[in-house]
Amino acid sequence: AQSVTQPDIHITVSEGASLELRCNYSYGATPYLFWYVQSPGQGLQLLLKYFSGDTLVQGIKGFEAEFKRSQSSFNLRKPSVHWSDAAEYFCAVGSPGGQNFVFGPGTRLSVLP
Amino acid sequence: NAGVTQTPKFRVLKTGQSMTLLCAQDMNHEYMYWYRQDPGMGLRLIHYSVGEGTTAKGEVPDGYNVSRLKKQNFLLGLESAAPSQTSVYFCASRASRREQYFGPGTRLTVL
Repeated sequence: AQSVTQPDIHITVSEGASLELRCNYSYGATPYLFWYVQSPGQGLQLLLKYFSGDTLVQGIKGFEAEFKRSQSSFNLRKPSVHWSDAAEYFCAVGSPGGQNFVFGPGTRLSVLP
Repeated sequence: NAGVTQTPKFRVLKTGQSMTLLCAQDMNHEYMYWYRQDPGMGLRLIHYSVGEGTTAKGEVPDGYNVSRLKKQNFLLGLESAAPSQTSVYFCASRASRREQYFGPGTRLTVL
């Protein structure tokens, strides 16, 4: 069965600092991988996705993520955080041809001015 | 395109009342999903559908029913609401082998 862990429940960074949010998954083959962002009171917005090919994927709002098969990881990065990036971030995994996605518990990001 | 829409946005129920949440998508997606989101619990799948006329149970289906009579609509019903069903409900849809698109959510309080 698929599973997703996000080891960090809450991360605080200063505006302008770099960011890395961790995501580890459990799946027997190469999965589909996603990062979503949720601002307070809002729905989930797709930041980026990985289906196949280049393991470094670029997303919206200056985010990128790298798929590392050997570590079963799909960490999200941003070189310089903006105050508007404060939100909850969810990693998700889906199986190719499968029906469901599994979401991680989320990491809440706070940004200090 | 409106994407995924949910009706209503907010609702307060008394214990034992019933209600239906409506999810509509205009992207001709085959798959549709209902999740609930609770603090510290992430997203938990309630029910899903892989096509018109089909439904299946997810992780937390008890107390909910669903129907997918039309491809573009996915209804979530609560027959007898309980305080434990106080939550934010999200609908999502997707095409085959693609990402999910989410609605804005419905905030439900059961007193």
